[in-house]
Amino acid sequence: KQEVTQIPAALSVPEGENLVLNCSFTDSAIYNLQWFRQDPGKGLTSLLLIQSSQREQTSGRLNASLDKSSGRSTLYIAASQPGDSATYLCATPDTGGFKTIFGAGTRLFVKA
Amino acid sequence: ETGVTQSPTHLIKTRGQQVTLRCSSQSGHNTVSWYQQALGQGPQFIFQYYREEENGRGNFPPRFSGLQFPNYSSELNVNALELDDSALYLCASSLRRADGYTFGSGTRLTVV
Repeated sequence: KQEVTQIPAALSVPEGENLVLNCSFTDSAIYNLQWFRQDPGKGLTSLLLIQSSQREQTSGRLNASLDKSSGRSTLYIAASQPGDSATYLCATPDTGGFKTIFGAGTRLFVKA
Repeated sequence: ETGVTQSPTHLIKTRGQQVTLRCSSQSGHNTVSWYQQALGQGPQFIFQYYREEENGRGNFPPRFSGLQFPNYSSELNVNALELDDSALYLCASSLRRADGYTFGSGTRLTVV
């Protein structure tokens, strides 16, 4: 049974800092992994999707990497801005494929 | 292309009542999944529909039921509401597992 863990649970950084959010999963036979952003009380916005055959994906200031052998993915945010303040969630389909397993998220606060 | 839309955005119900939440999937997406997200936690999978058939279910009691219609829109029904059902309910749609999921903005349900 796939389990997803995100560390840290919360993070506060000054504006302009580069930062890394971590996501760990227990079953390395993943199909893909998706990173989402969630603003308070809102739905999920997809940031990046990494297929199992890929090592990383980039979109603007965001870069997500995937290391299946170690069961880890990281989301790198460059030159953080106050507008980046949100909760970031990672998720991957369960082994059976029909449901997506989420981590509890990392709550990020970027101070101006 | 339109994204995933959910209605209503907010809802207050009394314990013991029944509620229906609605979701319109992104154009062309034939798979719809429903998730429950309690405050401070990651989304928990309720069930998934593919071409009008339920093809996966999480650890939720039978009073959580759903439907998918020929146009791939979907409903989530919850009977005999309990206080613990208070949460953000998220709908996600997809065409292929490899494409990841697109989420709606959610319905905030409060049971009093």
